[in-house]
Amino acid sequence: GAGVSQSPSNKVTEKGKDVELRCDPISGHTALYWYRQSLGQGLEFLIYFQGNSAPDKSGLPSDRFSAERTGESVSTLTIQRTQQEDSAVYLCASSFEGGRRDTQYFGPGTRLTVL
Amino acid sequence: AQSVAQPEDQVNVAEGNPLTVKCTYSVSGNPYLFWYVQYPNRGLQFLLKYITGDNLVKGSYGFEAEFNKSQTSFHLKKPSALVSDSALYFCAVRDRGSGNTGKLIFGQGTTLQVKP
Repeated sequence: GAGVSQSPSNKVTEKGKDVELRCDPISGHTALYWYRQSLGQGLEFLIYFQGNSAPDKSGLPSDRFSAERTGESVSTLTIQRTQQEDSAVYLCASSFEGGRRDTQYFGPGTRLTVL
Repeated sequence: AQSVAQPEDQVNVAEGNPLTVKCTYSVSGNPYLFWYVQYPNRGLQFLLKYITGDNLVKGSYGFEAEFNKSQTSFHLKKPSALVSDSALYFCAVRDRGSGNTGKLIFGQGTTLQVKP
């Protein structure tokens, strides 16, 4: 596919369960970002991967959140012991090389609902 | 710290009329500014960006934005609105305070409602 893809599109889970969200970036894009969109907080940055560099984790809200990326391909965002305040849309974006001039292209998002 | 403000939660315009969605920013140094649009239950779609050069930037779907350094604004405009332009619009600035991560800082979003 030509764009960023994310799965699942919707996820409903119970409080305390762990969830994994997946992102497939655009082929050839070396930079990958995770953002979270919620009613109360708007759009906020979570984590950034660029090639083999150490990821920028400065936006992760707690140690329950973690993310991995295999090379320059798929990334998974894991939320452990989910809480109701984790309910949000999780957006993934990729860009060619991650520089400030780069355009980030977003996937359709995963809507997470924690009951 | 970098920040972006979209002063209007909602903008209403009649189809065929010009539209403006406002955005102001606060950055240190040269700003890199972006506009994205989000349709219901969809991700963000890139519209246009200002990096350097001409203050008037043209983008997708007939949209344009004018960079005004003295007023620290980057308003989104379109000469003739379509009902299909109805969506949520986000202005964003590229963060310059964290090395070269390039993460975006978003405004709170403006809902554009175009009525027939």
